[in-house]
Amino acid sequence: QKEVEQDPGPLSVPEGAIVSLNCTYSNSAFQYFMWYRQYSRKGPELLMYTYSSGNKEDGRFTAQVDKSSKYISLFIRDSQPSDSATYLCAMSAGYGGSQGNLIFGKGTKLSVKP
Amino acid sequence: GAVVSQHPSRVICKSGTSVKIECRSLDFQATTMFWYRQFPKKSLMLMATSNEGSKATYEQGVEKDKFLINHASLTLSTLTVTSAHPEDSSFYICSVGPGNQPQHFGDGTRLSIL
Repeated sequence: QKEVEQDPGPLSVPEGAIVSLNCTYSNSAFQYFMWYRQYSRKGPELLMYTYSSGNKEDGRFTAQVDKSSKYISLFIRDSQPSDSATYLCAMSAGYGGSQGNLIFGKGTKLSVKP
Repeated sequence: GAVVSQHPSRVICKSGTSVKIECRSLDFQATTMFWYRQFPKKSLMLMATSNEGSKATYEQGVEKDKFLINHASLTLSTLTVTSAHPEDSSFYICSVGPGNQPQHFGDGTRLSIL
């Protein structure tokens, strides 16, 4: 079993839809959870980060972490064509300079159709 | 968050050439920077941790003599792919993890070895 599993998609939705992106993981030591957005031929851009279990909301984005189930989610409300990108989940046991061991999912490619 | 600049964005060269990639932290003095590699449809994989003023720490399976890392100042780390071959063609991305913040990434370097 891989440390982080993420459905690669592609996922296609109409503009305005609610998008749900998910990752599962196997390492119970993970405490820090991140979602990055990556446009084609660009580096990952940090969207959300959370510590331990719980929810975090930022504008149209909501991140959820359920450590008991080893499951994290990213919800995008009122999706826009500009949200079309690959979304990567990432997680680690440490933070900051000790966060080198950042484990990524493969990414889910999202396409929002106007 | 940290602003990371990576150069060049694209390199195409012949097999056997050595290629140097620069990663600059523009607004943060980084004692530690990270180098990742991303193959098509695969996860970002950490290659090495670059430490200012000391040797880099390489992940298992990454040849330190092939991927030379120099972190001579608090704002610059370089990755040199020595005697590059077609199998080294990939997307190389650096990141900075300032203090207790998550990692922020550069825009990556797409390396193509002919």
